[in-house]
Amino acid sequence: NAGVMQNPRHLVRRRGQEARLRCSPMKGHSHVYWYRQLPEEGLKFMVYLQKENIIDESGMPKERFSAEFPKEGPSILRIQQVVRGDSAAYFCASSPGTGGDEQFFGPGTRLTVL
Amino acid sequence: RKEVEQDPGPFNVPEGATVAFNCTYSNSASQSFFWYRQDCRKEPKLLMSVYSSGNEDGRFTAQLNRASQYISLLIRDSKLSDSATYLCVVMGTGRRALTFGSGTRLQVQP
Repeated sequence: NAGVMQNPRHLVRRRGQEARLRCSPMKGHSHVYWYRQLPEEGLKFMVYLQKENIIDESGMPKERFSAEFPKEGPSILRIQQVVRGDSAAYFCASSPGTGGDEQFFGPGTRLTVL
Repeated sequence: RKEVEQDPGPFNVPEGATVAFNCTYSNSASQSFFWYRQDCRKEPKLLMSVYSSGNEDGRFTAQLNRASQYISLLIRDSKLSDSATYLCVVMGTGRRALTFGSGTRLQVQP
C-alpha cells in the first residue's frame, strides 16, 4: 500500500516564478493537509482540503498561495511569484477522515528560491 | 506563549538508557495528542497517539495529563536508531490542523 506521494522532491525556482507542488494521498484517504517547515523551524499548518473543497485555510498566507484537491488527480499547492522567503520544505499529509485523527506524511518537496 | 512547548535538547544518552521527554500545550480544548519523530528534516513519522489512560508500544510509553496540559514520552533501552527529533503534536477541538512543538533532539551514543 503506497504511502503519501509528493512530487517533485526538489524544486528550484527563481524569484517571480510559479511553483506547483503535488500530493497524492494514501489509498483510501480523502483528507489532505499541507504543512510548511521553514529552515530551523517547526512545521506549521497551511491548509486542509477534502475532494473539491477547502475546509480550513487559516494557515495559508493571504496572497500568492492557493491550494486545490480536484475530484480527479492529486492535490496541488501553488505559489505564485515566489520570493526567497518561500524557500522551505512543504509536507503533505493525509488521513482517512473517519475512524481516527492520525495524519500520515509524504516525503515533502524542498523548494529553493534563487 | 507557544501553543506547544518542548525542551529543544539535545539529550545525549548512552545506548540502553531510559530517557523521558515532556511537552506542555496551552489550549485546554485540545482533543488529540501525538508523538512523531523526524529524522534529519525528513517527513515526520507517527510514533504513537497519546491517550488519557496512557499507552505503551514496545519500548515507548506515552502519558497525557489533561488537568496539567502535559504530555510525556518515555523511551526505555535506547537504541542508536532512536536518534532523531521527537515532535509533540496537538489537535484542537473541531479542527483537524495539527500544531507541532519545535521538537526535542535525542542523540543516542554507543
